[in-house]
Amino acid sequence: AQSVTQLGSHVSVSEGALVLLRCNYSSSVPPYLFWYVQYPNQGLQLLLKYTTGATLVKGINGFEAEFKKSETSFHLTKPSAHMSDAAEYFCAVGSSASKIIFGSGTRLSIRP
Amino acid sequence: DTGVSQDPRHKITKRGQNVTFRCDPISEHNRLYWYRQTLGQGPEFLTYFQNEAQLEKSRLLSDRFSAERPKGSFSTLEIQRTEQGDSAMYLCASSLALGRGGLNEKLFFGSGTQLSVL
Repeated sequence: AQSVTQLGSHVSVSEGALVLLRCNYSSSVPPYLFWYVQYPNQGLQLLLKYTTGATLVKGINGFEAEFKKSETSFHLTKPSAHMSDAAEYFCAVGSSASKIIFGSGTRLSIRP
Repeated sequence: DTGVSQDPRHKITKRGQNVTFRCDPISEHNRLYWYRQTLGQGPEFLTYFQNEAQLEKSRLLSDRFSAERPKGSFSTLEIQRTEQGDSAMYLCASSLALGRGGLNEKLFFGSGTQLSVL
C-alpha cells in the first residue's frame, strides 16, 4: 500500500523568504513522486516529478524537490518566495501505471 | 484553449437524483482519469481509461457510479441516486501515455465539476 503525508496544512512565509513544504511517503516498491500546484479556481498543474535517476529534481517557477530514500521524504523548496506562489500544493506518490495517490495538500500564503 | 474541459462547472441536485458530468480531454491524449476531491483533502482516484477501455476502478467507486468513454475521446461520469456524501469536486485529467512507462506521463487536469447534493 502507498500513502503520502504532507506536514502542515497551511504554511505562511514572507515574500523573499525560503519556502519549504514537507512531504513524506510510504511505499513498498520504488516510488514515483510528484508535486502539483493548484491556483484558486484552476486545475492542478504538475510542478515537478521524480521517477528515476537524479534525486534533486527541478521544476517550474523555481521550485525543486529532493528525493531522500532514507528519510522517505520528497520536500519541496524554493529559495525566494514570490506573491504569485500563493496556492495549494499537493504531493503525490505512485508506483503503477494506474494510480497516483495525493496528499491532503498544503496551502501556501505569502506575506508582503 | 485546448486544455481539459469539464462540464458543468457547478451542479446542485437533490438527494436521490441522477447526475452526469462530462470531460473533454486534450485531443491527442489516450488516457483519461477521474478523481474526487473534498474540502481539505487531496484528489482521490476513482477510475481511468486508456482509449475506450476502463482499466481500473477504485473501491471508492460504488455501484451508483459509472463512467464511460465510448469513442476514446470524451468521458462521462454518472452518479445515480445521489447522496449528500457525494458532494465534492469531481476532477478529470488526461495524459499521453507512451508504452508501459505510465508514470512518466504528465497529467493535465480540468477545473472540475463542483457537485452539491442537498
